[in-house]
Amino acid sequence: NAGVTQTPKFQVLKTGQSMTLQCAQDMNHNSMYWYRQDPGMGLRLIYYSASEGTTDKGEVPNGYNVSRLNKREFSLRLESAAPSQTSVYFCASTPEVGGHTIYFGEGSWLTVV
Amino acid sequence: QKEVEQDPGPLSVPEGAIVSLNCTYSNSAFQYFMWYRQYSRKGPELLMYTYSSGNKEDGRFTAQVDKSSKYISLFIRDSQPSDSATYLCAMLPGGAQKLVFGQGTRLTINP
Repeated sequence: NAGVTQTPKFQVLKTGQSMTLQCAQDMNHNSMYWYRQDPGMGLRLIYYSASEGTTDKGEVPNGYNVSRLNKREFSLRLESAAPSQTSVYFCASTPEVGGHTIYFGEGSWLTVV
Repeated sequence: QKEVEQDPGPLSVPEGAIVSLNCTYSNSAFQYFMWYRQYSRKGPELLMYTYSSGNKEDGRFTAQVDKSSKYISLFIRDSQPSDSATYLCAMLPGGAQKLVFGQGTRLTINP
C-alpha cells in the first residue's frame, strides 16, 4: 500500500538550475498539496489542487509552479532554483479540500548551492 | 501573529514521564484539531483528531481542546523512547478550507 510517493528523495541543485519534484497518490484522493518544511517555520503550503484540473496558490508560492497531470499526479517545478528554496518538500493528499486527515509522502530533501 | 503558535522546544524528558505538548490559536473558526507525529526523515502522520471542545483518549495519548481559551494539548502517559519525534498540531475551520499547522515541538524521551 504505497499511499503518497515522492521522487526524488534527495537532490542538490546549483543556483539557477531547474528541476521538478514528482508526486503520485494511489488512494483516489481529489485534493493534493505541496508543502515545504523549514526549521522553526513548520509546514507551509506552497500550492494545492482541490481537484483534477485546478490549482491554487498557498502561503508561499513565489518561485514555484505546479501541474496536476491527472488525478494521481501533482508535480512541483522550480524554474530557477535559489538558496532560499533549500528545504524539505512534502507532497500530501486528502479525499477533498477540508479533509482533516491529510496523508503525507516521505519528503524530498532539496539543497540549492 | 501566526494563527497557530506552538513551542518548538526541544523538549527532553526521562522514560515513563508524562509529557504535555501545547498549541494556542487565534482563529475562533477552527473546529477540527489534530495532532501529527513526525519521525526523523519521515512525513507527518495523523496521531489524533478532535472535533470542537473536549477530551479524546487513545491508549497512552490524550488530546484536549479548550475553545474558550483557544488552547489545545496532547498528553503522553508512560512515555517511551519510541515516542521521540516532532509533534505538530494542526487546525481546520469548518467547510472546504486548508489545514493550518503549528511549528512543531521536537520531543526526546531518554531511556
